[in-house]
Amino acid sequence: DAKTTQPNSMESNEEEPVHLPCNHSTISGTDYIHWYRQLPSQGPEYVIHGLTSNVNNRMASLAIAEDRKSSTLILHRATLRDAAVYYCILRGGGSQGNLIFGKGTKLSVKP
Amino acid sequence: KAGVTQTPRYLIKTRGQQVTLSCSPISGHRSVSWYQQTPGQGLQFLFEYFSETQRNKGNFPGRFSGRQFSNSRSEMNVSTLELGDSALYLCASGYDAGGDGYTFGSGTRLTVV
Repeated sequence: DAKTTQPNSMESNEEEPVHLPCNHSTISGTDYIHWYRQLPSQGPEYVIHGLTSNVNNRMASLAIAEDRKSSTLILHRATLRDAAVYYCILRGGGSQGNLIFGKGTKLSVKP
Repeated sequence: KAGVTQTPRYLIKTRGQQVTLSCSPISGHRSVSWYQQTPGQGLQFLFEYFSETQRNKGNFPGRFSGRQFSNSRSEMNVSTLELGDSALYLCASGYDAGGDGYTFGSGTRLTVV
């Protein structure tokens, strides 16, 4: 079973920031928090990951709670191309090669 | 750099047949994982190979198998196809360890009739 909880769907307006929440209350000390997104008719795409500290990359920012039991993916300016299903996944720090996908959050972006 | 390449993109097979899908990972990636995606079950992990060895396996019947070659390319095979095997099969490659992200291919759409 997926070890994360996300809202089923969210809506955003174009060019506004989007905050996608994820709860992972059973996270262990060695679990990384990964985010992927899947656009229609495509395979999942890696977005960002982090362990303890907040992370930024060209696609998004990841804010991790101090107790690590929750995190938030931040899209600073949503575009129509950001409409996708976003998955929050915990991945072990060792050789745990599999990703356990939940249902994810379907993000809709309105022009 | 080239992405993860999966072939073929689309496939139609008859019940009872077998099928082989191919995945060429990104150069330098030694971990290759396979996933099945259906509308009802979502994305489910099939198995993962690292340096030609199966390292992790999901909860699928033995009809689903795979292998990895010395150049990290991987194949998965499904024998005695059932209608329920119709799905999008996705391959993902990565370096290793939890601190790295995976790169997914566009998938092979398998339809069993």
